[in-house]
Amino acid sequence: SQQGEEDPQALSIQEGENATMNCSYKTSINNLQWYRQNSGRGLVHLILIRSNEREKHSGRLRVTLDTSKKSSSLLITASRAADTASYFCATEYRDDKIIFGKGTRLHILP
Amino acid sequence: DAGVIQSPRHEVTEMGQEVTLRCKPISGHNSLFWYRQTMMRGLELLIYFNNNVPIDDSGMPEDRFSAKMPNASFSTLKIQPSEPRDSAVYFCASSFGGAGADTQYFGPGTRLTVL
Repeated sequence: SQQGEEDPQALSIQEGENATMNCSYKTSINNLQWYRQNSGRGLVHLILIRSNEREKHSGRLRVTLDTSKKSSSLLITASRAADTASYFCATEYRDDKIIFGKGTRLHILP
Repeated sequence: DAGVIQSPRHEVTEMGQEVTLRCKPISGHNSLFWYRQTMMRGLELLIYFNNNVPIDDSGMPEDRFSAKMPNASFSTLKIQPSEPRDSAVYFCASSFGGAGADTQYFGPGTRLTVL
């Protein structure tokens, strides 16, 4: 399966701490995107990183991509209660197929 | 902009009944995606349209599922006959451009329960 895999499946941290989630994939990609899904809602796009990029920032989000290891990480700094959600990576492969992983459930504890 | 609109938000039906899910993409977007989300299988792409034409339907599970996009502002996903294993949340998403490096905007989803 080409499906990306997020790691860990679930993560609980204290408010204010940093949260790191990882995504691994199997074959060469064009780009990788991270999405957030709040309970009972649709997915919301967070950030896209292209295969020739190594790091991108957006506010409190930092995404890295290591194509040699076929992995990406999403770092959320200074976490807040509102960051509680599931986070998905979506990999676009060379045949333009986009595959979503099963997600990491992040719970921010007050 | 109202975003991607899906209806109904919830659907409860009995096995064997026909189910029709509806989606209105964001105006100006030319790609539309139907996804199914379950705990076991995660988010699965069912079918993808570009300029109202089905491009990739390899994710459609079987002949009981069909999708149409008669115009740029409307799409339907039909299940006939429905089965309990079809119970899931079905999402519609749209983007400007193809399936490539374009942000997909998701609707709120339709939660389908087949009894």
